[in-house]
Amino acid sequence: QVQLQESGPGLVKPSETLSLTCTVSGGSIDSYYWNWIRQPPGKGLEWIGYIYYSGITNYNPSLKSRVTISMDTSKNQFSLKLSSVTAADTAVYYCARSGYVTPLDYWGQGTLVTVSS
Amino acid sequence: DIVMTQSPGSLAVSLGERATVNCKSSQSVLYSSNNKNYLAWYQQKPGQPPKLLIYWASTRESGVPDRFSGSGSGTDFALTISSLQAEDVALYYCQQYYDTPPTFGQGTKVEIK
Repeated sequence: QVQLQESGPGLVKPSETLSLTCTVSGGSIDSYYWNWIRQPPGKGLEWIGYIYYSGITNYNPSLKSRVTISMDTSKNQFSLKLSSVTAADTAVYYCARSGYVTPLDYWGQGTLVTVSS
Repeated sequence: DIVMTQSPGSLAVSLGERATVNCKSSQSVLYSSNNKNYLAWYQQKPGQPPKLLIYWASTRESGVPDRFSGSGSGTDFALTISSLQAEDVALYYCQQYYDTPPTFGQGTKVEIK
């Protein structure tokens, strides 16, 4: 059974860079698309982007200028960096798996990141 | 972006009764070459991540009870819970994966009346 677990700081200061890592267990990170999604408190879901194991990335245009997703296949991990954060970036951040043009079938538990000084 | 609009925002249904959540996309998510609708439904309980229930608009994910069913095509879709159970109280989201970025509806809260 594939499991995903997010990790990283729960508090980030405004204008700084949010950095999260997702560790995949129970399966290889090879093949599949590895996604980040976020959910502001009490609000809906927003897809941030994905990375394919080959290194190909695709980002939401609304965040593209601030987002970088990378992968470390040797550690079965992929990571999210979101720069120049503001309070509007406060959210629960989820990592999730998908196939090519398929839905998100495995999700991490999510981690709350608060942007505040 | 494809805008997904769900209705109602919330609904309260008696135990054992039918619950229906609607989802409308701003453009068709039916891919004509394979006749598949690129539409999924998720269930989210408090403090938990979303759980995939339905994909290709009507295919149940493995392990999902058969009281959950999806229907619709093109731009109009529905998730039906045929006999609401207490454990079905949750938020339900539709999502299109036809185009990038994939987008979600705003969610529908299903409660017990």
